[in-house]
Amino acid sequence: SAVISQKPSRDICQRGTSLTIQCQVDSQVTMMFWYRQQPGQSLTLIATANQGSEATYESGFVIDKFPISRPNLTFSTLTVSNMSPEDSSIYLCSVRKAGAIYNEQFFGPGTRLTVL
Amino acid sequence: AQTVTQSQPEMSVQEAETVTLSCTYDTSENNYYLFWYKQPPSRQMILVIRQEAYKQQNATENRFSVNFQKAAKSFSLKISDSQLGDTAMYFCAFMTSGTYKYIFGTGTRLKVLA
Repeated sequence: SAVISQKPSRDICQRGTSLTIQCQVDSQVTMMFWYRQQPGQSLTLIATANQGSEATYESGFVIDKFPISRPNLTFSTLTVSNMSPEDSSIYLCSVRKAGAIYNEQFFGPGTRLTVL
Repeated sequence: AQTVTQSQPEMSVQEAETVTLSCTYDTSENNYYLFWYKQPPSRQMILVIRQEAYKQQNATENRFSVNFQKAAKSFSLKISDSQLGDTAMYFCAFMTSGTYKYIFGTGTRLKVLA
């Protein structure tokens, strides 16, 4: 497994502002991912955070809205830009470790974002 | 495209009883993985159990076991001797072998009653 922490754990933000969420892993991992979980819904993959290069975004998500950084093998950030109430969600990072037999991912505790 | 369906939005079970959560999926792939994740009120997603499609033997992890029916594309989760700490949202997930992308179901909210 992996120990994953996220900061902040929750935040309440004003419309039009931006929030950066941090994800820290206790060991080097090959892949890091960012998910969104809207209220009462399942998880949707936003993007794969690539170390040393641009993130790979899923359909419906763009870099201008969700810029991602991954400066090393244990850390990534997701920024939610120019927020609106529709961005109110839980944002989770997950990691895949090298040698994971089933390609399983381990998830952080999530960041609960409320946009007013 | 792959889809994952969890047809039970909510379920409840008495403590110490057994409960089965349903999951069906649709895919044309032959090699894939299936997972059950648990998300308690604390929000931390926890991997409960996983199954490789090519393995006929059903996976078990202590009180958790699956009934994997590949032909029927069914992957149900059985929780035996339910405990209060099992109260959580349970997500079924599919992943094609050689990829990293999960397809999650919509979840089943399980409440264990004292």
